[in-house]
Amino acid sequence: SAVISQKPSRDICQRGTSLTIQCQVDSQVTMMFWYRQQPGQSLTLIATANQGSEATYESGFVIDKFPISRPNLTFSTLTVSNMSPEDSSIYLCSVLDRVGVTDTQYFGPGTRLTVL
Amino acid sequence: SQKIEQNSEALNIQEGKTATLTCNYTNYSPAYLQWYRQDPGRGPVFLLLIRENEKEKRKERLKVTFDTTLKQSLFHITASQPADSATYLCALDSFLGGSYIPTFGRGTSLIVHP
Repeated sequence: SAVISQKPSRDICQRGTSLTIQCQVDSQVTMMFWYRQQPGQSLTLIATANQGSEATYESGFVIDKFPISRPNLTFSTLTVSNMSPEDSSIYLCSVLDRVGVTDTQYFGPGTRLTVL
Repeated sequence: SQKIEQNSEALNIQEGKTATLTCNYTNYSPAYLQWYRQDPGRGPVFLLLIRENEKEKRKERLKVTFDTTLKQSLFHITASQPADSATYLCALDSFLGGSYIPTFGRGTSLIVHP
């Protein structure tokens, strides 16, 4: 199974600033994902990041607000731009790993963001 | 619209009993269904996957059933322990970009009392 690390694990930020979250995987993976999980809510997919192409954003999420980089097969970053208190959430990086003929999803530990 | 329902109320049980969690869905025809465990402040951890043509899957003290007629999956933990206390998420696949990407329910919190 893939082992995923994220930096930072948590941060407290001021309104209007930006934060870049890093995701590192211990193996090469094609598909990486960024999720948001607000308190008491389910995981919400922000975007899919494939190496060598533009990220694909889900409804309600835009590149200007959540720019993503995917420079290689083991690393990705998500930036939360011009933050507001509504952006306070846990942000999770995830990858798909094929086990046999089935894709299984693995998650990083998450980044807990608080915006004041 | 597609919907995944998990009981939002926490399930409280005594140690040693069997915990049963429910996942219901509407407007899906999933190829498979997954269960994850999530501890506070941590990312979800994959537990079990069951395919649409499988009725039941077991792994140690865990058992999952999948009824595509009822559109329901049951997740059982036998001989439960306080260490099993966590939130358990159900996820159904959505086909995206050539792979199946899970869409998650909100999860049900399980509390096992010593």
